[in-house]
Amino acid sequence: DAGVIQSPRHEVTEMGQEVTLRCKPISGHNSLFWYRQTMMRGLELLIYFNNNVPIDDSGMPEDRFSAKMPNASFSTLKIQPSEPRDSAVYFCASSFARDSTEAFFGQGTRLTVV
Amino acid sequence: DQQVKQNSPSLSVQEGRISILNCDYTNSMFDYFLWYKKYPAEGPTFLISISSIKDKNEDGRFTVFLNKSAKHLSLHIVPSQPGDSAVYFCAARKQGGSEKLVFGKGTKLTVNP
Repeated sequence: DAGVIQSPRHEVTEMGQEVTLRCKPISGHNSLFWYRQTMMRGLELLIYFNNNVPIDDSGMPEDRFSAKMPNASFSTLKIQPSEPRDSAVYFCASSFARDSTEAFFGQGTRLTVV
Repeated sequence: DQQVKQNSPSLSVQEGRISILNCDYTNSMFDYFLWYKKYPAEGPTFLISISSIKDKNEDGRFTVFLNKSAKHLSLHIVPSQPGDSAVYFCAARKQGGSEKLVFGKGTKLTVNP
């Protein structure tokens, strides 16, 4: 398996623009997680899905952030409008079972908002 | 409020010696703990875990120790190798089977040849 695939690897955008990050989880995995990594806060869980349904979105910082999982093989994280403080590395991860905590991470998307 | 704390942002050791990475947590509801390793430009990868019913788990050169009364865990790497140089994240999960992992900020380990 190719693992969790994220795109793009790098994104540079201007403040106010819409940004969409994409994730393809490992085939057969039924849980998907979006994390954000910053120097100040480390790795933060933004939202996670189980069987394509959002279970916990309490980590989503504000309404500018939204995430969808239209099917088992695809998820998006959207920021609209983007702000410089959103600059971070965004990771997607997936796991197999409901109780599994050994999530597999993608390589991340480095977002820079100027 | 940082529920999982890694107070040492960095650690440097000589090849062949022991590396000890520490992690403290504040929430007594946490019952499962993990360590992830992260190389630059890559995502974190799972390394080793421990359940709260144990106080030690070993996997090759890696051993995790859990002291529940002190709410402290540590990762020991013996012997350390240059390829172990990476950022190590401690993570914890609450009771009840929730998949939500709370991560520390990480410790950057450098193993010098």
